[in-house]
Amino acid sequence: GQQVMQIPQYQHVQEGEDFTTYCNSSTTLSNIQWYKQRPGGHPVFLIQLVKSGEVKKQKRLTFQFGEAKKNSSLHITATQTTDVGTYFCAGLISSGSARQLTFGSGTQLTVLP
Amino acid sequence: DAGVIQSPRHEVTEMGQEVTLRCKPISGHNSLFWYRQTMMRGLELLIYFNNNVPIDDSGMPEDRFSAKMPNASFSTLKIQPSEPRDSAVYFCASSSGGLKTQYFGPGTRLLVL
Repeated sequence: GQQVMQIPQYQHVQEGEDFTTYCNSSTTLSNIQWYKQRPGGHPVFLIQLVKSGEVKKQKRLTFQFGEAKKNSSLHITATQTTDVGTYFCAGLISSGSARQLTFGSGTQLTVLP
Repeated sequence: DAGVIQSPRHEVTEMGQEVTLRCKPISGHNSLFWYRQTMMRGLELLIYFNNNVPIDDSGMPEDRFSAKMPNASFSTLKIQPSEPRDSAVYFCASSSGGLKTQYFGPGTRLLVL
């Protein structure tokens, strides 16, 4: 079946360091969504990217959608302890009239103070 | 505004028992999703409804699982009979239309002994 691969699975950084997580799909995506889940919490929507090559920023977070719409990244500049959690991408794959939203496996970020 | 409401928040039951999870989507949202999250398998889409009609139930594990949405403000996910491997966090999410931005509920943590 269709898959959205996400790496790395885990990332430990020192507070103040940068962090990046990557999503890759073998199939062109109609859009990609990013979610954050705090420990013990539920996924919370962060952003949606639709256009090829799109870049969006939210304060210290930068989201990119690849030119081929098959990959995406989330970059956090100067991490803080509040950034701790698991970051998921979710790719929307359209095939004819069928549409499928597939979540990546997530990247669990730990920020060491 | 109230978000997605799920009940119960925690459920501990014995193998073989019937389990019913409940969800109230955000008012005005016409799409509802049930997810299961485990360490091993990550976040899996079980089923989703559009205007109370099941659109994609390909993620439902087996006949022991069933989901209903009798009206726009209520849905249930039933497991009968439950098994230890069903232990997971079950999330309900809603959106304003199809596979758009999803708003997740707090989840039901199910433990089947």
